[in-house]
Parts: sequence; structure tokens; C-alpha cells
Amino acid sequence: DIQMTQSPSSLSASVGDRITITCRASQNIINYLNWYQQKPGKAPRLLIFASSTLQTGVPSRFSGSGSGTDFTLTIGSLHPEDFATYYCQQSYNTPPTFGPGTKVAIK
Amino acid sequence: EVQLVESGGGLVQPGRSLRLSCVASGFTFDDYAMNWVRQAPGKGLEWVSGISWSSGTIGYADSVKGRFTISRDNAKNSLHLQMDSLRAEDTALYYCAKAGSPEWLFEPSDSWGQGTLVTVSS
Repeated sequence: DIQMTQSPSSLSASVGDRITITCRASQNIINYLNWYQQKPGKAPRLLIFASSTLQTGVPSRFSGSGSGTDFTLTIGSLHPEDFATYYCQQSYNTPPTFGPGTKVAIK
Repeated sequence: EVQLVESGGGLVQPGRSLRLSCVASGFTFDDYAMNWVRQAPGKGLEWVSGISWSSGTIGYADSVKGRFTISRDNAKNSLHLQMDSLRAEDTALYYCAKAGSPEWLFEPSDSWGQGTLVTVSS
């Protein structure tokens, strides 16, 4: 199975801050990398697929980049509703594995 | 608007069975693959199983292979997960999720239900 790691596991930030979350795959997944946001008690929400393509309806302050094994999710300016846990997922090979998540909390 | 509504969860003893269902609306169900993804209490996301639009391609996580069976009924816009020989480690919130294309591999899950809770305990 392809192992996915994320860093940091958690971070504290303020409204308006720019943050970056890193995701690393244990082998080359080309650009088959997706990002999800999950708020407490809610289902995950797809933010970005194919490494950098924004899902319909997702604000443009979210962006993704990377290829091969290293990927990043950037939130350009944190809004109050962005405090959540973020997961990366590879969909290159079965099973489609998720990273352990990065919790973004209010400083 | 895409809607996915799961049902069938509950408290079950180890070794017993449970069948989860997901009813879909708001999109052409038989145009898309579907997935089951679970989340143990306080833990991360784990893909469980995927099924293509025609049921021709099916996949399972190693942790459930041989115990769980995914199926779909395109005439009824429904997805199912038959879970046999349940273990304590199967305790989780089970989400039904729509893939972005007719096949589940290579694709993200672009819409999710609210989940149904399965608790395996004696």
C-alpha cells in the first residue's frame, strides 16, 4: 500500500494568516492527490483533486500544488470557517489511502 | 443537489453481521462509481470499498477483504455494504461517497453522506 504522511499534524494560526500543509507519498503518485476538509461532526468535503484542481464552489484562497511524492495545500488567508482538519488522499493505486490529517486550530 | 443518505448502522456483537445501505439522489446514479469510507471514533479516514458504475470493478481494503461485500442496485439508486464476521476494530462511522467518474480508482470522492455509526461490542 502507498503510505501517506502529513506535516504538521496540527497547527495554530490566526484569521488572515497564510498556511501550508505538506503531504508526502511513499512512492510516485504522479498527480493523483486529493485534499479534503472535515469539520467536527461533519462529513469530509472535497477541496482539491488532481493535486491542483479546485473543486466547484471551493474558495480561491485554497490552492494545491505538487507532483510525484511531495504535495502542498495552501490557504492564502485563513477565514474563521477554515478551522478544521485537512486530509490528503492518493487515488493512484488501490487501496486509495489517506494521510493522518492536519488539524488547523485558532491561535 | 447530490444527496446520499446512509442507514443500517447500530450496535452488534462481534462475529455478527450488519448490512449498510445508501440511497442516492440528485444525480444519475449509474453514471458514477461509489465508495464506502469509514472513520473510527477520534481517528482518521479509511477507505473500505469501491464499486464501479456497472459493478464490474470492485475493490476492498485488506482489513475487510473476505468479510465485507459491496453491491449496488442502479434501478433503486442504492449502494450496500454487507458486513460479516464483524470485529471490534470495525467500529466506526461509515460514509457513503460518490466518485467523480464511472470508475472508483484514480478518482476523488466528491460528495459524501453524513454517515451511519456501526458499533461492534459484546
